[in-house]
Amino acid sequence: GAVVSQHPSRVICKSGTSVKIECRSLDFQATTMFWYRQFPKQSLMLMATSNEGSKATYEQGVEKDKFLINHASLTLSTLTVTSAHPEDSSFYICSARRATSAWTDTQYFGPGTRLTVL
Amino acid sequence: DAKTTQPPSMDCAEGRAANLPCNHSTISGNEYVYWYRQIHSQGPQYIIHGLKNNETNEMASLIITEDRKSSTLILPHATLRDTAVYYCIVRPGPNFGNEKLTFGTGTRLTIIP
Repeated sequence: GAVVSQHPSRVICKSGTSVKIECRSLDFQATTMFWYRQFPKQSLMLMATSNEGSKATYEQGVEKDKFLINHASLTLSTLTVTSAHPEDSSFYICSARRATSAWTDTQYFGPGTRLTVL
Repeated sequence: DAKTTQPPSMDCAEGRAANLPCNHSTISGNEYVYWYRQIHSQGPQYIIHGLKNNETNEMASLIITEDRKSSTLILPHATLRDTAVYYCIVRPGPNFGNEKLTFGTGTRLTIIP
């Protein structure tokens, strides 16, 4: 299966600081990556779609100026949580889209990043 | 709008086959059925997907009814490591845009020793 990594796996920061999370597709190129957030005992919620070389598309209610996404290469997308506050504490998960044929594709997920804002 | 309906929880004895149902009565002709699972505090793991034919891989089998309104994921010999939340998701193929995966609440499968 395809491998997607995330770094860091866990981060604790002070309120008001910014945190950058990296998502890498290790053995395939991904023109499209996705960022999700998961709060305790809830399901995954899509935050944004990241396309290589273009601006990200954010879901309704997600602040694009707070959650900065950069997809500068076919194997790397980054999510920066700017001026983090305790309510931003969550489990952030990325996925990378891999075409498996002309008619279908599959998203492979990273292991997630646990963000705790004090 | 919920596109799929799954039971909230199921138990299965270790070594037995686990059969996880999913209803997707409003599925469109260009939509695939995807299955993922999430073990506690990890990212979701891709299991299998299909359009209308039954599919099998090293992890599981996917049985889709002829009318495509429901499907069943089969884990042939469940182990304790299969304990997870299983998500059934319908999504158009890549040529039809909308590549998003919308996660519902899934089925919490517990494998009993």
